[in-house]
Amino acid sequence: AQKVTQAQTEISVVEKEDVTLDCVYETRDTTYYLFWYKQPPSGELVFLIRRNSFDEQNEISGRYSWNFQKSTSSFNFTITASQVVDSAVYFCALNSNSGYALNFGKGTSLLVTP
Amino acid sequence: GAGVSQSPSNKVTEKGKDVELRCDPISGHTALYWYRQSLGQGLEFLIYFQGNSAPDKSGLPSDRFSAERTGGSVSTLTIQRTQQEDSAVYLCASSLDNRGREQYFGPGTRLTVT
Repeated sequence: AQKVTQAQTEISVVEKEDVTLDCVYETRDTTYYLFWYKQPPSGELVFLIRRNSFDEQNEISGRYSWNFQKSTSSFNFTITASQVVDSAVYFCALNSNSGYALNFGKGTSLLVTP
Repeated sequence: GAGVSQSPSNKVTEKGKDVELRCDPISGHTALYWYRQSLGQGLEFLIYFQGNSAPDKSGLPSDRFSAERTGGSVSTLTIQRTQQEDSAVYLCASSLDNRGREQYFGPGTRLTVT
């Protein structure tokens, strides 16, 4: 069975603070893919990043960075110098060769206040 | 280019009526997915289409739910004899293929059953 756990339900930070969103996954497959999506108040899910299980390189995109560690089955997402526009619900998701659907975590609601 | 589009954006229906929700995927994407997002259940997979293959219906919650995809493009999700527990946001997504690719989501249809 596949499972994604986002233990943080809600996080509130003040603008310019750094914040890390945790994601822990479970799968028996050796080939799998991990994703992060952003759902702003407008409601549309926006794709942020995709990593495959064979590539543990961390990735940085502007203020966003992702840390993938197979040893701890984690794929954490850090926003540096947060901004009000980062306020959204963030979902971590897992997909593998044993299925086509994305298995989503419950999401972390991030509120960035001025 | 154009993203995934869905219609209607909102639908209010009376319990017991049938509803049809439409999804127009990104041009060239062979894989199409339907998900449901509700407060209590998070994001749930419903059904998946890949090219001309038989769909994966493993996520459909009951036989009142069905979907089709015509000509490998537009898809319609039909809910018969709607119930109040069907109230949710129905999300459609498409991807280039089914090999762990990122899925791009439409804006969703908010269904309210009264």
